[in-house]
Amino acid sequence: GENVEQHPSTLSVQEGDSAVIKCTYSDSASNYFPWYKQELGKRPQLIIDIRSNVGEKKDQRIAVTLNKTAKHFSLHITETQPEDSAVYFCAAEAAGNKLTFGGGTRVLVKP
Amino acid sequence: NAGVTQTPKFQVLKTGQSMTLQCAQDMNHEYMSWYRQDPGMGLRLIHYSVGAGITDQGEVPNGYNVSRSTTEDFPLRLLSAAPSQTSVYFCASSGDRGFQPQHFGDGTRLSIL
Repeated sequence: GENVEQHPSTLSVQEGDSAVIKCTYSDSASNYFPWYKQELGKRPQLIIDIRSNVGEKKDQRIAVTLNKTAKHFSLHITETQPEDSAVYFCAAEAAGNKLTFGGGTRVLVKP
Repeated sequence: NAGVTQTPKFQVLKTGQSMTLQCAQDMNHEYMSWYRQDPGMGLRLIHYSVGAGITDQGEVPNGYNVSRSTTEDFPLRLLSAAPSQTSVYFCASSGDRGFQPQHFGDGTRLSIL
């Protein structure tokens, strides 16, 4: 089955700097890659997603890039703000249209 | 719109007890799913449904049952609770992304003693 690895597990950045989270996946047939943000004690929220026919997608301060050849995709957050502090999860659509999640990255934005 | 509503928010059970976690959505979404989230891990799919009357197993279905008699409701039943089922459970729905979770409920924090 699909295996998704996410790095780093924790990330501390200064407010205003950029943050990058990387995920690799194993199933070359996967074609949908969402990212979720989860604040402490709250529900996960879908923040951006990308399909395999697109190499990059942007939404304001967040962007996702996909390299299908290398089987990795990344989340980029620019001009980080304290409210960006949360746990971020990547996921990849596995066989049977089921999502496999990465282990999460705890992002701390220091004022 | 309430979105996805889960009840209860917290529950403590004894080993061997059964219970049902409720999930309802008011967005007329066809796709609904249940995930569990354990400390330090991502979400794992338990069961999912692509429409009323249709359910299927996810990654970790053992010990859980689901049914989908209406579009709105997707309850998750624990048949005989075990300590390994201590977790936070999230219900999710999706309208336009296939059955990939688009809207999550607030979660149910379940402890099995």
